[in-house]
Amino acid sequence: AQRVTQPEKLLSVFKGAPVELKCNYSYSGSPELFWYVQYSRQRLQLLLRHISRESIKGFTADLNKGETSFHLKKPFAQEEDSAMYYCALKGNNNDMRFGAGTRLTVKP
Amino acid sequence: ETGVTQTPRHLVMGMTNKKSLKCEQHLGHNAMYWYKQSAKKPLELMFVYNFKEQTENNSVPSRFSPECPNSSHLFLHLHTLQPEDSALYLCASSQKTSGDQETQYFGPGTRLLVL
Repeated sequence: AQRVTQPEKLLSVFKGAPVELKCNYSYSGSPELFWYVQYSRQRLQLLLRHISRESIKGFTADLNKGETSFHLKKPFAQEEDSAMYYCALKGNNNDMRFGAGTRLTVKP
Repeated sequence: ETGVTQTPRHLVMGMTNKKSLKCEQHLGHNAMYWYKQSAKKPLELMFVYNFKEQTENNSVPSRFSPECPNSSHLFLHLHTLQPEDSALYLCASSQKTSGDQETQYFGPGTRLLVL
């Protein structure tokens, strides 16, 4: 069964501090992993996906198959990064599973 | 409006009512999804439609009935719901192609309250 775990419901950091949002997954095949973000009063939208290996808004995420993790990182958090972040996994059956989400608050 | 639209944005209904949620995507995508987002649970995939054919039904109670008349429109018909069905219902669409990670585009959601 595929499962996505985001252990932190809430995460608070100060502006300029590094931030890491944790995501662990459970899946027997080759997963496709995503991070979605929902800013206040906006719709859920894709932030990044592991296959792209890109940095979006300063965020990066590396798939670690050994640790079955896909943590989202940013070296210097900004106030506008405050949002709800969801890690998601798509398995071979195309079923998308989302984690419970982590609410990030970046304080001035 | 471009992207994925959902109507109504808010809905209050009694347990004996029948209502429908509507989703429309203007992106030319070939797959559409219904998700349920409630306060105490992760975002849950309910239904998936590929090229108007339902391909996933994740053990959703029969009081939720989806309909996909064409690749641009998706409905969720509601009948005899329970208070615990109160949640934000999100629609999404994507373009499914082989060998690529498709991105899902989400609508703003319908906030449903069942009394």
